[in-house]
Amino acid sequence: AAGVIQSPRHLIKEKRETATLKCYPIPRHDTVYWYQQGPGQDPQFLISFYEKMQSDKGSIPDRFSAQQFSDYHSELNMSSLELGDSALYFCASSLGLGGGKLFFGSGTQLSVL
Amino acid sequence: AQTVTQSQPEMSVQEAETVTLSCTYDTSESDYYLFWYKQPPSRQMILVIRQEAYKQQNATENRFSVNFQKAAKSFSLKISDSQLGDAAMYFCAYGSGNTGKLIFGQGTTLQVKP
Repeated sequence: AAGVIQSPRHLIKEKRETATLKCYPIPRHDTVYWYQQGPGQDPQFLISFYEKMQSDKGSIPDRFSAQQFSDYHSELNMSSLELGDSALYFCASSLGLGGGKLFFGSGTQLSVL
Repeated sequence: AQTVTQSQPEMSVQEAETVTLSCTYDTSESDYYLFWYKQPPSRQMILVIRQEAYKQQNATENRFSVNFQKAAKSFSLKISDSQLGDAAMYFCAYGSGNTGKLIFGQGTTLQVKP
């Protein structure tokens, strides 16, 4: 079965650079969630989209923005990168809001040097 | 705000034995779901089991079952006949019935001894 696809798997950036992370949900899933997991930490919710509209917002810095496109894929744009942004970024998708099973991608490991 | 607490940073179990991981949560919402996710060293997040809060019956998935105590806001995971492949970090998560977002506990690292 098709899973959530994230690209790239690994990304190395310098401070103050920009990064774009991509997420392709499971076919027919209309909801996408972004999470950030620091080393040894639990995943922290950043932002979510349902039917291409932002549905919820968590602890996402103002330097980050995201959107969901007409084909339901989503992109997380991160600007003015800081050392503290180094983390594993997960995308998850579900069918509908509220209680649906969230399926996670393999994550993008971002390292900011 | 909703919170999830896992008070056991580490647990260990002998292969083929049974282990229970604890989780408590706090919420004022009436519509919510609870999950256990497994994160092996590959760091992939794998759904283990899901419980709908409006259902009294405890969810079961093969060797994995939960003990859901709604009044006590407790949601423990029991792993029976533990296998070496069960070794991983286990996260308890609260899912809002309105937005679907998950709030995770701090995680419990499970070691399985041969």
